[in-house]
Amino acid sequence: DGGITQSPKYLFRKEGQNVTLSCEQNLNHDAMYWYRQDPGQGLRLIYYSQIVNDFQKGDIAEGYSVSREKKESFPLTVTSAQKNPTAFYLCASGVLGVRQPQHFGDGTRLSIL
Amino acid sequence: SQQGEEDPQALSIQEGENATMNCSYKTSINNLQWYRQNSGRGLVHLILIRSNEREKHSGRLRVTLDTSKKSSSLLITASRAADTASYFCATDALTGGGNKLTFGTGTQLKVEL
Repeated sequence: DGGITQSPKYLFRKEGQNVTLSCEQNLNHDAMYWYRQDPGQGLRLIYYSQIVNDFQKGDIAEGYSVSREKKESFPLTVTSAQKNPTAFYLCASGVLGVRQPQHFGDGTRLSIL
Repeated sequence: SQQGEEDPQALSIQEGENATMNCSYKTSINNLQWYRQNSGRGLVHLILIRSNEREKHSGRLRVTLDTSKKSSSLLITASRAADTASYFCATDALTGGGNKLTFGTGTQLKVEL
């Protein structure tokens, strides 16, 4: 089955620690996205990538970093510079072009120890 | 930034009733999409309406779009307990590229037996 896999489902971060969230897709989509969702809120865009080895900042990129070395993979690192990392992180992918929906993984919930 | 504002924030109805959710946005758009999110899960695409369309149907879903008022509504007819979820509108802006979506704050729908 084609889809997006996010891992782990739950992640805990200690103070001063960087953590990396995995996102893999086998939908052959060019574009991939990372969103942050806080309780009772909508999604806010962190980073997105339209092609391998290229990515752009979204609305809340500070304290986060990404890489896109392969079409299938778009890992997100939450760095120690992100002072309020507790949130639900969602990865999505999509076909480039107008009028295309995004396909989402089931998320990673990150908490601070 | 969150372009979309949804109304109401929460809605509780009885099974069999209709549920209407509204979304307002701020800038010109290519299209508007509605997504559903079950608790603790990723988003699932429901329906996309183009900026030159006024109404669209999919099963028990009916979406309207009024670009002059920058608003959209999602109607779920004959609701079921399984429709309990959060519903988000998302807009694909006319400018900016990258197929970036801007999500609203969501409506939490509870359908009671």
